[in-house]
Amino acid sequence: DTAVSQTPKYLVTQMGNDKSIKCEQNLGHDTMYWYKQDSKKFLKIMFSYNNKELIINETVPNRFSPKSPDKAHLNLHINSLELGDSAVYFCASSPWGETQYFGPGTRLLVL
Amino acid sequence: GQQLNQSPQSMFIQEGEDVSMNCTSSSIFNTWLWYKQDPGEGPVLLIALYKAGELTSNGRLTAQFGITRKDSFLNISASIPSDVGIYFCAGYPNTNAGKSTFGDGTTLTVKP
Repeated sequence: DTAVSQTPKYLVTQMGNDKSIKCEQNLGHDTMYWYKQDSKKFLKIMFSYNNKELIINETVPNRFSPKSPDKAHLNLHINSLELGDSAVYFCASSPWGETQYFGPGTRLLVL
Repeated sequence: GQQLNQSPQSMFIQEGEDVSMNCTSSSIFNTWLWYKQDPGEGPVLLIALYKAGELTSNGRLTAQFGITRKDSFLNISASIPSDVGIYFCAGYPNTNAGKSTFGDGTTLTVKP
């Protein structure tokens, strides 16, 4: 069974639309993360949740809103998508902080 | 925020050659991690280092936690084509901070 799963794997959408990416982990970890990987392959943390509470919120536009309905899920909703949002978004989980287990990524293309 | 300088940015090597890459920081880290990202996949942990001076191996990979706690090194011996990918270092300041800092990655290409 996949440890960290994300859906969808690919997402192509028009500018201005609203979209969501879902993430689930079956590792029993307390902490989950969202990362953005741009075209230069840089990995930048966006958000982190620990036991459903937001603990890290980097400088990310308000159009991005994470939601953690329970410890095993961390979803990312994006409003009013812009061209610059095109990237690969990775979800990750960890027992607490250090070693992170990444999902397969969601490739978002905004046209 | 904390910055990690990872070098080199990219490497093109012949199969069988050894590879070295490193990460440096102006801040002290208590944990250093090395990840590999295969094309089209998410990063996967290769080696974790928890103590200054620690040298840890995982098959053909060897990583070291620098004695100053501000750097780390990863070596790959006798490279093979499946070593291709992006290698990321990550530093973790302490066990309760909840946030690691990632380097910008080293892209490795191995020619058969």
